[in-house]
Amino acid sequence: DTAVSQTPKYLVTQMGNDKSIKCEQNLGHDTMYWYKQDSKKFLKIMFSYNNKELIINETVPNRFSPKSPDKAHLNLHINSLELGDSAVYFCASSLATGLTYEQYFGPGTRLTVT
Amino acid sequence: TQLLEQSPQFLSIQEGENLTVYCNSSSVFSSLQWYRQEPGEGPVLLVTVVTGGEVKKLKRLTFQFGDARKDSSLHITAAQPGDTGLYLCAGASGNTPLVFGKGTRLSVIA
Repeated sequence: DTAVSQTPKYLVTQMGNDKSIKCEQNLGHDTMYWYKQDSKKFLKIMFSYNNKELIINETVPNRFSPKSPDKAHLNLHINSLELGDSAVYFCASSLATGLTYEQYFGPGTRLTVT
Repeated sequence: TQLLEQSPQFLSIQEGENLTVYCNSSSVFSSLQWYRQEPGEGPVLLVTVVTGGEVKKLKRLTFQFGDARKDSSLHITAAQPGDTGLYLCAGASGNTPLVFGKGTRLSVIA
C-alpha cells in the first residue's frame, strides 16, 4: 500500500504552459506539504495545509497555487511555467500532534520546463 | 532564519569503514530528524531525536542529539553499499516550518 503517492512521476512541458501535480496520502495524517528540491538537492518547503486550510505559504511566486479538496489530497497547480521552475517537487504528510512533524514523502515529480 | 549546516557535503568511502556526518546550527530545536534519500525517490525518515544528549541506534547507525539541542551527528559503523544515499537532517521548532540541511551525499564503494 502506497502511503503518499504523486502523479505524474515525470512532467516535461514548455515555458508558458499550465500544469498540475496531484498528491494523495492514505496515512490519516492531518497536515500535507509541498516541497521543492533544486538541482543541488536543497529541499525547501513551499506550502503546508492542515485539515484543508493553508497554514504555511513560504515565499513562492503566486503562479503556484495549492488546492486541498480534502485532508487526504493536496494538489499543486502551476501557471505560466518558467525555466526556473524545473526541479523535483515532493508532496509530504505528517501528524501535527507532538510538534515533531515527522514527514512522510511521496516519490517526487520531476518537472522539466523547456 | 534558522539554518542547519551539514558536513561533509560529500563523502566517498570503502565498504567496511566507519564514518560520521554532522548537522550543526546556532538555533535550538525541539526535535531533530534524519532522513535518507536514494536517487529518484523521496526522503525516508530514519529517526527523530527529542531530548538533549539523546542517543538512538538503528542497526549500524547511531544518532546523537547535542546536549544543547543545536546539533546532531550520525555515525555509521562498517558501512555497506546499501548505505549509499543523501542524508538529510531537519529541525523542528514550535510552529515554524521544518528546516532541512543541504545534506551529505554518501557513496560507499564495494
